Amino acid sequence: GNSVTQMEGPVTLSEEAFLTINCTYTATGYPSLFWYVQYPGEGLQLLLKATKADDKGSNKGFEATYRKETTSFHLEKGSVQVSDSAVYFCALGMDTGRRALTFGSGTRLQVQP
Amino acid sequence: GAGVSQSPRYKVAKRGQDVALRCDPISGHVSLFWYQQALGQGPEFLTYFQNEAQLDKSGLPSDRFFAERPEGSVSTLKIQRTQQEDSAVYLCASSSNTDTQYFGPGTRLTVL
Repeated sequence: GNSVTQMEGPVTLSEEAFLTINCTYTATGYPSLFWYVQYPGEGLQLLLKATKADDKGSNKGFEATYRKETTSFHLEKGSVQVSDSAVYFCALGMDTGRRALTFGSGTRLQVQP
Repeated sequence: GAGVSQSPRYKVAKRGQDVALRCDPISGHVSLFWYQQALGQGPEFLTYFQNEAQLDKSGLPSDRFFAERPEGSVSTLKIQRTQQEDSAVYLCASSSNTDTQYFGPGTRLTVL
């Protein structure tokens, strides 16, 4: 079956530090890959996505590249802000067959001023 | 435009009570999903509708869980005879016929 593994948190960084949150996946077929963010007290928001190998998703300074050879979709940001403090979820989805998203367990990011 | 809305936002139930959780998807979205998110975990799939048809209910944890979407728009997730292990956040998501799902704020269910 499909699965997503992401690095455990919490990740604690100082403002303006470089961020990497690792995500690897196992899937049959050709999934789309997503990063969702959950701010305190709020619902899941789509941060970025990529639908095929070598695609790069980007939004709000965050980037992730779909690497089929390493089955990875690592999230990066060059300079984090306190407002980026949240829980980040990596997920995969198929556009045929079972359309449910499969999520990782989430990584909490804490950015200190 | 309006996003996915869910009600109530918070629900406290005594063990053994029945509860009903409502989801209003984005207008025009044919696909609707329910997920369960335990504390500190990622969401886990419960069930999926395309219009009014329930195409996948493989994630429902027991026959106490029931979902419906009779007119292909609003959906209700019902949990009968709630147990403490049912305590979680229940998320609804909707989608047009693309791969992107848009989530509501969730209903936090606490079973005492």
